[in-house]
Amino acid sequence: KAGVTQTPRYLIKTRGQQVTLSCSPISGHRSVSWYQQTPGQGLQFLFEYFSETQRNKGNFPGRFSGRQFSNSRSEMNVSTLELGDSALYLCASSFDGDSRSGYTFGSGTRLTVV
Amino acid sequence: GESVGLHLPTLSVQEGDNSIINCAYSNSASDYFIWYKQESGKGPQFIIDIRSNMDKRQGQRVTVLLNKTVKHLSLQIAATQPGDSAVYFCAEGPGDRRALTFGSGTRLQVQP
Repeated sequence: KAGVTQTPRYLIKTRGQQVTLSCSPISGHRSVSWYQQTPGQGLQFLFEYFSETQRNKGNFPGRFSGRQFSNSRSEMNVSTLELGDSALYLCASSFDGDSRSGYTFGSGTRLTVV
Repeated sequence: GESVGLHLPTLSVQEGDNSIINCAYSNSASDYFIWYKQESGKGPQFIIDIRSNMDKRQGQRVTVLLNKTVKHLSLQIAATQPGDSAVYFCAEGPGDRRALTFGSGTRLQVQP
């Protein structure tokens, strides 16, 4: 079966702009979690969506937001981009959001802010 | 490929040797631990997990050891192969069973 699909793979944006990243989970998975990966901070949890509702949120500013659609696809948005937002953004899907039932990660979107 | 971490600790081993990667976790309430492997250009890939009521679990060529007393986790890879070269992360699952907290990662380099 198809894995987790993230688009686009690479993105270059200018400071102050906004960006939208997309994640299509594995068919049948209802939970999508987003993580930010940087060399300095490692992998940090952004938020988790389940059945179109945000169930859990990490410690990121309000410029980071997301949503989930009825088909479980999820998008995350970052507004007013800062240089420090340059990172690999990963999404992980699971059936119910319980990490013990298995997260599957996508390959990520590499965002560069210039 | 993706630059996962510019200043990760690196473990360099010879092909065929055993590798041991260590991880200290932070939350004594965590009840679930996972090891992930991340290759260049890819997302983390599940390797093996262990629940807090266990102290050892074995998979194919991999063993995870958990020492809750000192909050330490290790991943042992037997007969390391060039394909094992990657960055390895430990992750802990807290009581809410959702968000994972990841360690900073270790880069494993396998010399042929």
